[in-house]
Amino acid sequence: AQKITQTQPGMFVQEKEAVTLDCTYDTSDPSYGLFWYKQPSSGEMIFLIYQGSYDQQNATEGRYSLNFQKARKSANLVISASQLGDSAMYFCAMNTNAGKSTFGDGTTLTVKP
Amino acid sequence: GAGVSQTPSNKVTEKGKYVELRCDPISGHTALYWYRQSLGQGPEFLIYFQGTGAADDSGLPNDRFFAVRPEGSVSTLKIQRTERGDSAVYLCASSLEGTVHYNEQFFGPGTRLTVL
Repeated sequence: AQKITQTQPGMFVQEKEAVTLDCTYDTSDPSYGLFWYKQPSSGEMIFLIYQGSYDQQNATEGRYSLNFQKARKSANLVISASQLGDSAMYFCAMNTNAGKSTFGDGTTLTVKP
Repeated sequence: GAGVSQTPSNKVTEKGKYVELRCDPISGHTALYWYRQSLGQGPEFLIYFQGTGAADDSGLPNDRFFAVRPEGSVSTLKIQRTERGDSAVYLCASSLEGTVHYNEQFFGPGTRLTVL
């Protein structure tokens, strides 16, 4: 069975600073993908970044980067230069080749001006 | 260039009634997923279709929940004898193919179901 754990229910960050959102996962499947999604108060799920289990380098997408430590089974999201619009719920999720996705319970990020 | 659409956006029903929630995936996406999201929680997997068939329905909570995708495109989630505990946002997502882990899922806006 797959499991995603996000241990930070809420996080605060000052505008323009960097923040790290934690995610640990558990799976026995050797092939998997790790995703981060942003869900603003409007409710839509917005894809941010993807990391494959066999990728040698950490994924980056603009201000988002994924700190992937396979041996520790962690896939933390780093947001650099935080903006007020980054305030939202953030979900870590894992896909396997079986198709099913497993999500964590999310972290609420609040960016302070 | 339409994304995933879901109708209705909101549904209010009474306990014991039957409801249908519709999902129209992105054209060409063979995989379709249904999730349920309760307030303050992450999406909870319900069922996944690859084409017309349900490849994994292990997340359906009980036999009151059923989903179909007869032509491999639009899907309908059906809930019989609704209960107050069924109140949640029901999210639909689609991806190019479900049997590879790297395919991003594209989410619809969700249907907010309220059972009174």
